[in-house]
Amino acid sequence: GESVGLHLPTLSVQEGDNSIINCAYSNSASDYFIWYKQESGKGPQFIIDIRSNMDKRQGQRVTVLLNKTVKHLSLQIAATQPGDSAVYFCAESSLSGYALNFGKGTSLLVTP
Amino acid sequence: GAVVSQHPSWVICKSGTSVKIECRSLDFQATTMFWYRQFPKQSLMLMATSNEGSKATYEQGVEKDKFLINHASLTLSTLTVTSAHPEDSSFYICSRQGAPQETQYFGPGTRLLVL
Repeated sequence: GESVGLHLPTLSVQEGDNSIINCAYSNSASDYFIWYKQESGKGPQFIIDIRSNMDKRQGQRVTVLLNKTVKHLSLQIAATQPGDSAVYFCAESSLSGYALNFGKGTSLLVTP
Repeated sequence: GAVVSQHPSWVICKSGTSVKIECRSLDFQATTMFWYRQFPKQSLMLMATSNEGSKATYEQGVEKDKFLINHASLTLSTLTVTSAHPEDSSFYICSRQGAPQETQYFGPGTRLLVL
């Protein structure tokens, strides 16, 4: 079936570098996208979202880019810090529904 | 601060017993809440949508008689794992959302271990 997936299962970056986490989706009806951060043993924490009428949205140290042409979503984290180490999930839904479809997740490890 | 709470945070039970997990929306009267299950190193899988005052909507492959959901008030949804088996051991997470395409906030999760 259609799903949301991630290109890289693990990503290791040095503290202070920028991180880019990618996500591909296949459902052309998806028009709402969210990034969540999940630390070990905890529930997902909302980071940033974007609707399909936008191609870029910025938050504090994070930027989400949406390319609807190739069905690709990315999360950029500036000046990555050790506290950013976690698993990052992209999720999508469509206008008509509540349900979120989660991608497989990328583990981000920030090394000093 | 947290907008969704879960209780208990972890539970160990014997095979064949039932376990109830509570999910509370702390800041919002949620007519709709969600239950997810997450196995180690895997993504979240939606189990069911909990609807206040009506029956829950279960995802394909999720046994409604095994995973009983009750959403009796606008701030509380419960998930009861009946006749638990070791394969039910997992991390159960609930969430609430105000409307489609509004931010969905998650609880801290409940770790269930069935011996």
